[in-house]
Amino acid sequence: GDSVTQMEGPVTLSEEAFLTINCTYTATGYPSLFWYVQYPGEGLQLLLKATKADDKGSNKGFEATYRKETTSFHLEKGSVQVSDSAVYFCALSDLPGNQFYFGTGTSLTVIP
Amino acid sequence: NAGVTQTPKFQVLKTGQSMTLQCAQDMNHNSMYWYRQDPGMGLRLIYYSASEGTTDKGEVPNGYNVSRLNKREFSLRLESAAPSQTSVYFCALGRGAKTGELFFGEGSRLTVL
Repeated sequence: GDSVTQMEGPVTLSEEAFLTINCTYTATGYPSLFWYVQYPGEGLQLLLKATKADDKGSNKGFEATYRKETTSFHLEKGSVQVSDSAVYFCALSDLPGNQFYFGTGTSLTVIP
Repeated sequence: NAGVTQTPKFQVLKTGQSMTLQCAQDMNHNSMYWYRQDPGMGLRLIYYSASEGTTDKGEVPNGYNVSRLNKREFSLRLESAAPSQTSVYFCALGRGAKTGELFFGEGSRLTVL
């Protein structure tokens, strides 16, 4: 079945450091891939998405490229800020049924 | 999280009690989902509904029932709560298309003693 595996945390970085959170997936079809972010006490919000191979999703300085050959969708940001502290979830959706599958989440803390 | 309303936001139950979590939307989306979030486990799908009147089991349906009587509302019922059901529950909406994103409610924190 479909599944998502992402880097375990927690991750602690200094402000302006480079961020990578690894995500790999297993899917029977041609899934869409997503990164969601969860701030403390809130629900998940879509950060970025990519719907086909080689697509790059980007938002708020974050980027991720859909790599079919390595079944990966790693999240990157060149310079993190304290406000980026949150839990990040990699996810995929696939047919039939449009079920979404989530990774276990990676907690990021950025210190000044 | 405008458009997805979950109630209650917090609830404490004793083992064996029953309760219903309510989710209502005003975004006119076809698909609705119930997830639970547990430390180290990420989000796990309990049930989902692709459209009004239809429901399907997700990854962890045991101990839960759902009802989708109309397009706006999707409720999750615990008939006899157990401590293992202590969790944060999220309702989410989707357009029903593979490329569509999910929109999440703010969550309902349930503690079963």
